[in-house]
Amino acid sequence: QSALTQPRSVSGSPGQSVTISCTGTSSDIGAYNYVSWYRQYPGKAPKLLIFDVNQRPSGVPDRFSGSKSGNTASLIIFGLQAEDEADYYCCSYAGTRTHVAFGGGTKVSVL
Amino acid sequence: EVQVLESGGRLVQPGGSLRLSCAASGFTFDKSVMSWVRQAPGKGLEWVSVISPSGRNTFYADSVQGRFTVSRDNSKNTLYMEMKSLRDEDMAVYYCVKGVEGRWLQLFDSWGQGTLVTVSS
Repeated sequence: QSALTQPRSVSGSPGQSVTISCTGTSSDIGAYNYVSWYRQYPGKAPKLLIFDVNQRPSGVPDRFSGSKSGNTASLIIFGLQAEDEADYYCCSYAGTRTHVAFGGGTKVSVL
Repeated sequence: EVQVLESGGRLVQPGGSLRLSCAASGFTFDKSVMSWVRQAPGKGLEWVSVISPSGRNTFYADSVQGRFTVSRDNSKNTLYMEMKSLRDEDMAVYYCVKGVEGRWLQLFDSWGQGTLVTVSS
């Protein structure tokens, strides 16, 4: 069982927006503004999409947006495209005892 | 271009040992936190270990504490992980992951393609 809780799957039509939630606790997401999101295509390595809750690395389209409220973080994908079909993982720094918590992953399907 | 390339994954029996390596290039290795993250077949990501840029500080997930040892050779731009007393549940793709200079475990910047460790008799 993963430390952070994500929905197993979300889906949307091209052009729509989808939101992936990531629920943790007051020891991880709630305690630090260090939530990151990763996209993983089948058989490939994960890639950083969002860090520090809402920051995008260079090269990541602004269709990807991150936010946080309390113990829950969210990734919103605006203007869904076929290439967005992948697995998405949230991650949070969790302090000096647990260190890092990952979510179980959400499969995004483009209908 | 940042590159991290893992090697060393193979079939090993339960209770066996293995050493993974990760060759890094394209960035200042001795200034970067490095981590190992694994992914069991069909499962999600699990952080395994981290090592500070100097190598003086190391930390592990509870699931591998006492069995795995992470180290680095900054003169060779290489990260290692010694794995002992391997269990069925250690079977996974192991990713070598670069951190960001000046940051700790807040984000995982660049990932290798992974190396598969299979634990089976």
